[in-house]
Amino acid sequence: EAQVTQNPRYLITVTGKKLTVTCSQNMNHEYMSWYRQDPGLGLRQIYYSMNVEVTDKGDVPEGYKVSRKEKRNFPLILESPSPNQTSLYFCASSLGRGGSGYTFGSGTRLTVV
Amino acid sequence: AQKVTQAQTEISVVEKEDVTLDCVYETRDTTYYLFWYKQPPSGELVFLIRRNSFDEQNEISGRYSWNFQKSTSSFNFTITASQVVDSAVYFCAPPNYNQGGKLIFGQGTELSVKP
Repeated sequence: EAQVTQNPRYLITVTGKKLTVTCSQNMNHEYMSWYRQDPGLGLRQIYYSMNVEVTDKGDVPEGYKVSRKEKRNFPLILESPSPNQTSLYFCASSLGRGGSGYTFGSGTRLTVV
Repeated sequence: AQKVTQAQTEISVVEKEDVTLDCVYETRDTTYYLFWYKQPPSGELVFLIRRNSFDEQNEISGRYSWNFQKSTSSFNFTITASQVVDSAVYFCAPPNYNQGGKLIFGQGTELSVKP
């Protein structure tokens, strides 16, 4: 089944404790990206990657890191999480830059206390 | 700059009613795509349909239909004979090719279908 897999689905962590949210797709998509969703602010892009070793900042990259060492994986790293990073996170992938549509992962609900 | 407007924040209907969700996309691009996504209470984002700006024909898939009017930049989504399972937040989202294909999400319309 073609899908984007995110893990974990839920995570509660403490301020400053490094964490990684994994994202993997099995569709051989070149394009991957991360979004966060917050009440009143909607969905905003954090980072995107147009291919292996090619990443770029989205609208709200501060406090996040990404890497794209393999085509299928695009992990999101929070080196020192803070409470304002409490959010619902989505990973998405697409064959190209969007014209073919995006497939989203199931989401990761992160709480930083 | 591109702008996506979903003016209806919340809609409440009774089961079996038809409901139309509105989306207006303002852009200087002459050709573009736009996607509709559904976010049920469980939280995932479910792809519904891709529409493009050079096709003004209505598209129908089961109880869902989509209408695009280029003159008003309106992409409307109609659910016929709504069901409780249609209760969700619906987003329209075009990709912005000037910004790496980033999806520009509208504010979303929360649809509540009551039995």
